[in-house]
Amino acid sequence: AQSVTQPDIHITVSEGASLELRCNYSYGATPYLFWYVQSPGQGLQLLLKYFSGDTLVQGIKGFEAEFKRSQSSFNLRKPSVHWSDAAEYFCAGLTGTASKLTFGTGTRLQVTL
Amino acid sequence: NAGVTQTPKFQVLKTGQSMTLQCAQDMNHEYMSWYRQDPGMGLRLIHYSVGAGITDQGEVPNGYNVSRSTTEDFPLRLLSAAPSQTSVYFCASSYSALLGNEQFFGPGTRLTVL
Repeated sequence: AQSVTQPDIHITVSEGASLELRCNYSYGATPYLFWYVQSPGQGLQLLLKYFSGDTLVQGIKGFEAEFKRSQSSFNLRKPSVHWSDAAEYFCAGLTGTASKLTFGTGTRLQVTL
Repeated sequence: NAGVTQTPKFQVLKTGQSMTLQCAQDMNHEYMSWYRQDPGMGLRLIHYSVGAGITDQGEVPNGYNVSRSTTEDFPLRLLSAAPSQTSVYFCASSYSALLGNEQFFGPGTRLTVL
């Protein structure tokens, strides 16, 4: 079955430190992959997306993600985390037609000052 | 543009009661969908619509009904609420159902069923 897995439930980093959130996918063909962020009490906002082409994609708020087919991964990175980045992050993939997104279980990011 | 709006923001129901969660978008989007978010499970697709008059089931459709009489509105109906339907519900829309169109999410409705 097509799926998206986020192995880390909760991650804590210090402000100014680098960040990497993991995402693994299981799809038969090259998937469409997304990273969303959800601030407390809010809806989801798209950070970035990968469809094809360059495997390193840039997003909003200084985030980037790298698609690695050999590792079935699409990890999200940021070189220097800000306290305002504390939120929950979701990786998602498309399961075929009609834009039906499959979400990972999310990673909650805590930023210490 | 208001984007995707959802009402109410919070709702408490008793088991067996019915209610409708409202979702509207003012972006003339063809595709709309409903997700539920539960702790440790991410978001799961309930129902979706690729245009007015067309709806289909997602991953967890049982206990929910939808209709799409206009492009703008996509209400979600709970016919007989159960405690298992306690969740946060998100509505989303995108320009079309074609792969890759960005989905815009509403702020969510937090539902508690007692």
